[in-house]
Amino acid sequence: KNEVEQSPQNLTAQEGEFITINCSYSVGISALHWLQQHPGGGIVSLFMLSSGKKKHGRLIATINIQEKHSSLHITASHPRDSAVYICAVGSYNTDKLIFGTGTRLQVFP
Amino acid sequence: KAGVTQTPRYLIKTRGQQVTLSCSPISGHRSVSWYQQTPGQGLQFLFEYFSETQRNKGNFPGRFSGRQFSNSRSEMNVSTLELGDSALYLCASSLLTGQVYGYTFGSGTRLTVV
Repeated sequence: KNEVEQSPQNLTAQEGEFITINCSYSVGISALHWLQQHPGGGIVSLFMLSSGKKKHGRLIATINIQEKHSSLHITASHPRDSAVYICAVGSYNTDKLIFGTGTRLQVFP
Repeated sequence: KAGVTQTPRYLIKTRGQQVTLSCSPISGHRSVSWYQQTPGQGLQFLFEYFSETQRNKGNFPGRFSGRQFSNSRSEMNVSTLELGDSALYLCASSLLTGQVYGYTFGSGTRLTVV
């Protein structure tokens, strides 16, 4: 069993839909990261969470430390949101990230 | 401010050769970490450098090595290349540690071994 599990693996949505991507982990962490990767490979860091909830524009990320679970929500999805979203966790005193397998999101107009 | 710069963007090498990839972090960032991304294994941590010292290492063979210079620029080297080393190699920089300050990733170097 992977230490970081993401679901779903693939997601298709119509423009305007509300999107949820889930991430569960089994290790102790100091922070959880949500990353976005577009075709071509470059990665953008969306959120870093150690507790609670963060919001940036149409993106919302939540984490429940007790349940070892995080969600990434996209409100009013848009075709430009099409990308691979990756959950990654890291523990104290190390920058050794453990990555989920990613969720490929396609948003159609 | 300039982002994380990785060079070269693309590279084609032959089995048995060696390769050196470069990563220039954001000015002022002292931590640089390296990752390998393949279709089969996804993203995996290679190693992390802080103030010219390797702080953490992933589960990769000794053919993979790296170093960091006094200006925080980092290089990774892969010797005796194998076909399975074909991957996107990403680096990320952080002010001190990504677990507190977050990461900024580069665009990656796509290595093809033929």
